[in-house]
Amino acid sequence: ETGVTQTPRHLVMGMTNKKSLKCEQHLGHNAMYWYKQSAKKPLELMFVYSLEERVENNSVPSRFSPECPNSSHLFLHLHTLQPEDSALYLCASSPREGQGTQYFGPGTRLLVL
Amino acid sequence: EDQVTQSPEALRLQEGESSSLNCSYTVSGLRGLFWYRQDPGKGPEFLFTLYSAGEEKEKERLKATLTKKESFLHITAPKPEDSATYLCAVQRGSGNTGKLIFGQGTTLQVKP
Repeated sequence: ETGVTQTPRHLVMGMTNKKSLKCEQHLGHNAMYWYKQSAKKPLELMFVYSLEERVENNSVPSRFSPECPNSSHLFLHLHTLQPEDSALYLCASSPREGQGTQYFGPGTRLLVL
Repeated sequence: EDQVTQSPEALRLQEGESSSLNCSYTVSGLRGLFWYRQDPGKGPEFLFTLYSAGEEKEKERLKATLTKKESFLHITAPKPEDSATYLCAVQRGSGNTGKLIFGQGTTLQVKP
């Protein structure tokens, strides 16, 4: 595997379900990001991790819970989501914190019913 | 408030027909302006970084320029494989978390 990978690529869940999104980067980077991309809206930053420490939470509701066990892996735990949370969730990484040149994964397309 | 506006929303070109995409921005102290390309079903792919007014960067048929208020992505003699959504983003000077503020993107379709 190379670059940034994300699983699953597609996910359908009910509002009462609990699920997790996984991201893995094979680039040796120290910073990782979660973004949300909704239809007709700009890409929106959710969380930033640097060396497994969360350094930014962009006013994200608590039903989204990130986890970064090491610098190569990032998870987004989902629970009691709303239909408006349906979107493409993108993971990205950069060599160091604070860099705008970021490498994105293919995303997880989430549908909340 | 930091803001990025891209125009047009969509652009259709014939192969070989050159054009430009616009990115207007308002940011408190620009640290960098970034162009990304996004193909359907994929994540954004980094193209360019511009740091100061007057700077230009080129890559194949693409050329990015920057002024104090906007950036242009010029596409010279485009080919069908240039069809994609082009995203512009800015990073402010203060703070160091790498936060990017994106525009809504311009979807380019190049017809053969």
